[in-house]
Amino acid sequence: SQQGEEDPQALSIQEGENATMNCSYKTSINNLQWYRQNSGRGLVHLILIRSNEREKHSGRLRVTLDTSKKSSSLLITASRAADTASYFCATDTNDYKLSFGAGTTVTVRA
Amino acid sequence: DAGITQSPRHKVTETGTPVTLRCHQTENHRYMYWYRQDPGHGLRLIHYSYGVKDTDKGEVSDGYSVSRSKTEDFLLTLESATSSQTSVYFCAISEEGRGHPNYGYTFGSGTRLTVV
Repeated sequence: SQQGEEDPQALSIQEGENATMNCSYKTSINNLQWYRQNSGRGLVHLILIRSNEREKHSGRLRVTLDTSKKSSSLLITASRAADTASYFCATDTNDYKLSFGAGTTVTVRA
Repeated sequence: DAGITQSPRHKVTETGTPVTLRCHQTENHRYMYWYRQDPGHGLRLIHYSYGVKDTDKGEVSDGYSVSRSKTEDFLLTLESATSSQTSVYFCAISEEGRGHPNYGYTFGSGTRLTVV
């Protein structure tokens, strides 16, 4: 079963707007990661946030983590057409793997 | 993606035939993973390796086997392909193991496998 669940499943925004997506998970984690996947390509690692961190920034990306609610959010500011992709959260728990959610598909309209 | 190559990129095979997918890395990373991606399921771990000849099962390992005889190569074999194994297969590598604060995967471009 999937550890992480993204919400919403799909998101359509205008270029220049912000995009926010959420990830909820079930068990305690060591860290949580976000990945991007462009159509027909592999996943690309975006950002990692540790369980003792609450917020992290990388360029136009902002990630928050609330371990009490077992949730994370990814904010993409000032979106561009190139941000059109699927975004996945992945959780690193105390077993042997990263567990991925089903993803949020983001479409940025020109 | 730089440093990791999957082959073939596309393959069509018949039910019951064996199939081997190859993942090759030039990063000298210790950890290698095979995932499959299906609509609505995200990525699910098939097998992973934490060193040469050291492998373990993931959550969907039935019908699959792996081998890692060299650091740079991780092979995934479908012993007798079935239609349920039609999927996109991704290989990933990681320099650090799970739990490390800099732990993150680098993915290959995927192999699209169709079993008819």
